[in-house]
Amino acid sequence: DAMVIQNPRYQVTQFGKPVTLSCSQTLNHNVMYWYQQKSSQAPKLLFHYYDKDFNNEADTPDNFQSRRPNTSFCFLDIRSPGLGDAAMYLCATSRDIRQGPYEQYFGPGTRLTVT
Amino acid sequence: SQQGEEDPQALSIQEGENATMNCSYKTSINNLQWYRQNSGRGLVHLILIRSNEREKHSGRLRVTLDTSKKSSSLLITASRAADTASYFCAARGGSYIPTFGRGTSLIVHP
Repeated sequence: DAMVIQNPRYQVTQFGKPVTLSCSQTLNHNVMYWYQQKSSQAPKLLFHYYDKDFNNEADTPDNFQSRRPNTSFCFLDIRSPGLGDAAMYLCATSRDIRQGPYEQYFGPGTRLTVT
Repeated sequence: SQQGEEDPQALSIQEGENATMNCSYKTSINNLQWYRQNSGRGLVHLILIRSNEREKHSGRLRVTLDTSKKSSSLLITASRAADTASYFCAARGGSYIPTFGRGTSLIVHP
């Protein structure tokens, strides 16, 4: 049973051409996260939502934006992708971790290639 | 932010052997979690240990936590080829969001 779904699984975009990655969940979790993971590195948190409350990490480039139109969906927009933005992008969800030690559920990831 | 750092970075063993991975973190934590990531996939939660716990078991997994040393270990007993993956610890402190280390890459040879 798919719980956190990411589309597409593989995305190729051109340098500077805007791209949107999508994530949906069937868990009804109120927290959603976007991570960037480069080869052999730790997943790096870009931002997260508590419901509609957006929380940006201090070192997330302005080039990265996000939208969460409802509980189930969350989007990652890269306005002008550079070669350094090529990575795996992971979406995750959880229950409200301010209320308890809840685990995160990850999607399979979207592999972004920038040409 | 809190961060776990795994050691070793890479581990290669034979099927049936035990695999031990370590995680160190910097400041006080509420809990520490271990995740597995198969190549090219998302992370899967394995086990969570709270700061007031010293040891926890789940199937072939055993996790220990030593808050005085700010370290945790993950032991996989009787490893199988299917255990080949990267393993990450995520330490959660006061910032609520756990942050991940670079992971240990485990290869189990059949």
